[in-house]
Amino acid sequence: LAKTTQPISMDSYEGQEVNITCSHNNIATNDYITWYQQFPSQGPRFIIQGYKTKVTNEVASLFIPADRKSSTLSLPRVSLSDTAVYYCLVGDPASNYQLIWGAGTKLIIKP
Amino acid sequence: ETGVTQSPTHLIKTRGQQVTLRCSSQSGHNTVSWYQQALGQGPQFIFQYYREEENGRGNFPPRFSGLQFPNYSSELNVNALELDDSALYLCASSLGGERYTFGSGTRLTVV
Repeated sequence: LAKTTQPISMDSYEGQEVNITCSHNNIATNDYITWYQQFPSQGPRFIIQGYKTKVTNEVASLFIPADRKSSTLSLPRVSLSDTAVYYCLVGDPASNYQLIWGAGTKLIIKP
Repeated sequence: ETGVTQSPTHLIKTRGQQVTLRCSSQSGHNTVSWYQQALGQGPQFIFQYYREEENGRGNFPPRFSGLQFPNYSSELNVNALELDDSALYLCASSLGGERYTFGSGTRLTVV
């Protein structure tokens, strides 16, 4: 099972672009990279998932280099409501329950 | 479409007691997973059910057990509660194990 490493915490300001990088050196061929967001006392919420290159949706972009040993979640023009814990997960979608959740990155957005 | 609903939202139990937590999966989802999340940590996988059969289990003792019903709702049962069982218990549903939708959790306090 691949493990991930991400910063424990990050600070930024409203209106800025925030990039959170996740390291996953042991990623396997069938593994996808998935990011979740979690607010206090709520369950995690799916943000984005990708396999390689770049994926973009209405809330974020995910950049994955060719070697796939890392990935970067990009949040454009953050607001105070983006303050949350962000989890990077790596695993085979066919067996998603085997994903190992780290402590995530606590992102604090300041006015 | 309805999301994942968990009940109760909060619960206080005494050490040694038994508890049952309930989860209604999102409409159309046939897979349910349960997680334990201690304060400040990421969710830890307990087990997963697919079409009423357990098809994956994390590193939790047998006193953690579960059920999935024909309508895909699910229960998590914990016997002989210990103080360390105090946590947020999350239920997540998916269709075939991809892109989980989480409930808001049940906050269990064991005293």
